[in-house]
Amino acid sequence: NAGVTQTPKFRVLKTGQSMTLLCAQDMNHEYMYWYRQDPGMGLRLIHYSVGEGTTAKGEVPDGYNVSRLKKQNFLLGLESAAPSQTSVYFCASSYRDRGNREQYFGPGTRLTVT
Amino acid sequence: AQTVTQSQPEMSVQEAETVTLSCTYDTSESNYYLFWYKQPPSRQMILVIRQEAYKQQNATENRFSVNFQKAAKSFSLKISDSQLGDTAMYFCAFMRANSGYALNFGKGTSLLVTP
Repeated sequence: NAGVTQTPKFRVLKTGQSMTLLCAQDMNHEYMYWYRQDPGMGLRLIHYSVGEGTTAKGEVPDGYNVSRLKKQNFLLGLESAAPSQTSVYFCASSYRDRGNREQYFGPGTRLTVT
Repeated sequence: AQTVTQSQPEMSVQEAETVTLSCTYDTSESNYYLFWYKQPPSRQMILVIRQEAYKQQNATENRFSVNFQKAAKSFSLKISDSQLGDTAMYFCAFMRANSGYALNFGKGTSLLVTP
C-alpha cells in the first residue's frame, strides 16, 4: 500500500495564480483532512471531509476550497494565491471506526507564494 | 474551543538518558483522544503514542510512555533510553469530536539528542 500520497511535493506560485493540491489514499478511509504548518506552529486544520461528496470548514479555511468527488481523493484548491498561503500542507486520513482514531499523514507539500 | 499548550519550545538530552516533554490541554469534553506525533527533519508526521481519555492506564509503546492526568488536563511524554534518531519536533495533539475527529496541535517541542 502507498498509504497517503500528495502531489506535488514542492511548488512555487506567483501572487494571484491558482493551483490544486491532490491527496490520495489507498486505505479505504472515510475521513480526510487538510492541514497547514507554518514556522513555529503546529498543524492547523483547513478543511475536512467525513465522506465522499461532503466537506466542511476547519480552523483556517479562508482562501481555500476543497472537493471530495471520490472516496480516495481529497483536493485542496487555491483560487488566487497570496504570500500568506506560503506554508507546508499536509493531508491526512483515518477510519470512521471509533476504535481506531489514528490519522495517517502524507509527506507534505511545500508551497511558496511570491 | 480546545487548546493545546506545549510550554517547552526546545529541549536537549544526552543519549541513553530519559527526557519528559510537557503538554496541557483545555476541553469541556469528557471522552476524547490524545496523541503525540514526531516530526523528524524529513517532515513526515509519525504517530508515537495515543491515549484514550476513558482509560485510566497510561499508554506505553516500547521506550515511549505517557503520564496522563485527566483532572489536571496534562499529557506528558517520557522517552527512555534516548537515541540519536529521537531528534525531532514532537507535537501533542487533541482529537476533537466536533470537527470530524480532526486534530488540534500544540506548537511543538524541538528535541535534540546529543552523543
